[in-house]
Amino acid sequence: KAGVTQTPRYLIKTRGQQVTLSCSPISGHRSVSWYQQTPGQGLQFLFEYFSETQRNKGNFPGRFSGRQFSNSRSEMNVSTLELGDSALYLCASSLQTGPVYNEQFFGPGTRLTVL
Amino acid sequence: DQQVKQNSPSLSVQEGRISILNCDYTNSMFDYFLWYKKYPAEGPTFLISISSIKDKNEDGRFTVFLNKSAKHLSLHIVPSQPGDSAVYFCAASLLQGAQKLVFGQGTRLTINP
Repeated sequence: KAGVTQTPRYLIKTRGQQVTLSCSPISGHRSVSWYQQTPGQGLQFLFEYFSETQRNKGNFPGRFSGRQFSNSRSEMNVSTLELGDSALYLCASSLQTGPVYNEQFFGPGTRLTVL
Repeated sequence: DQQVKQNSPSLSVQEGRISILNCDYTNSMFDYFLWYKKYPAEGPTFLISISSIKDKNEDGRFTVFLNKSAKHLSLHIVPSQPGDSAVYFCAASLLQGAQKLVFGQGTRLTINP
């Protein structure tokens, strides 16, 4: 079974631009979560999508948004990029068959550098 | 507001000995705890988890201990192997909004031959 895939793996943008990152979950997984990893803040939860609906949201400004498609693939978008948005963006998918926690499987991440 | 803390940024252990990684949390509503392992240029890989109704969970060389009164958990790796060298993250989840994980800052474990 293929794992979680993320594209692109590396991205360089300049301040003020916007960026879209893509995540394909493991087949059959309906929940997709996004995390940001930076040296200073560690791994922080951005948001979770389930059945095309945002179900949970972390403490990030509105410049960070996402969506999920009917095939469970997800995209996240960051508008008006700032230098501090440079980070590794990780996507994780899970089955989420009930209300309790389901193991999340992480992709390799997209390394975003903002110049 | 760091709800999950790993106070040791790094740990060095000799091959064959026990590695003990520690994690503290502040939110008593967390009810599920996990350890992830991360190699450079890869996403975190799930290692082991424990529900708040238990105080110990074992899986091969890995054992997680949970002390709810102290809000502390630890990961024991016995015996430590060179391939265990990685960054280890402790994470916690609430029953509500269960897929939202709160991570610690990570501990870099180095196993020396």
